Amino acid sequence: DAKTTQPNSMESNEEEPVHLPCNHSTISGTDYIHWYRQLPSQGPEYVIHGLTSNVNNRMASLAIAEDRKSSTLILHRATLRDAAVYYCILRPTGTASKLTFGTGTRLQVTL
Amino acid sequence: ETGVTQTPRHLVMGMTNKKSLKCEQHLGHNAMYWYKQSAKKPLELMFVYNFKEQTENNSVPSRFSPECPNSSHLFLHLHTLQPEDSALYLCASSQETGGTYGYTFGSGTRLTVV
Repeated sequence: DAKTTQPNSMESNEEEPVHLPCNHSTISGTDYIHWYRQLPSQGPEYVIHGLTSNVNNRMASLAIAEDRKSSTLILHRATLRDAAVYYCILRPTGTASKLTFGTGTRLQVTL
Repeated sequence: ETGVTQTPRHLVMGMTNKKSLKCEQHLGHNAMYWYKQSAKKPLELMFVYNFKEQTENNSVPSRFSPECPNSSHLFLHLHTLQPEDSALYLCASSQETGGTYGYTFGSGTRLTVV
């Protein structure tokens, strides 16, 4: 599976936007970019995914670079409840595709 | 509640005990998964089931024995575990195993082996 690189940690102030970067320079044309987050003492939670175009949902936005070698998860207004570990994961479109987690980015949100 | 329910939430067992973890989903998903999350380590995929058939065993020791009686239920039977098996065990499901489908995770079972 193609590898992703994320910063170990980031900090944000509450009610400010947060941009979480992910580099995936070896991405293939059939890899989807998935984002999950894991709040303390909980299982991971799906956030968003995309292939080529930018995507928006009620939780976040996903901005994908034109060459697809990087992407950014955007939380428009961070709250204390957004403090979590955020994982950027590449998944091939094949039927046996797996969700393989790395170490992610730990986001701290402060007042 | 995420739609994937795991029981029990916490489990303490001795190394000679036999116990089972249960996972249940009523999302209509056809694929189910077991993951292990040890302290300070990334989540590790253990088993994959697709339409009740095991399609992946990620070199998991035989003291962990999965069972999938139907697409809604998944069990992990545990016997003669070691203290290093103490971890958070997470169950997940997805519509199918393809890359376009997101996973829904349960809250996990926190297992302590003494």
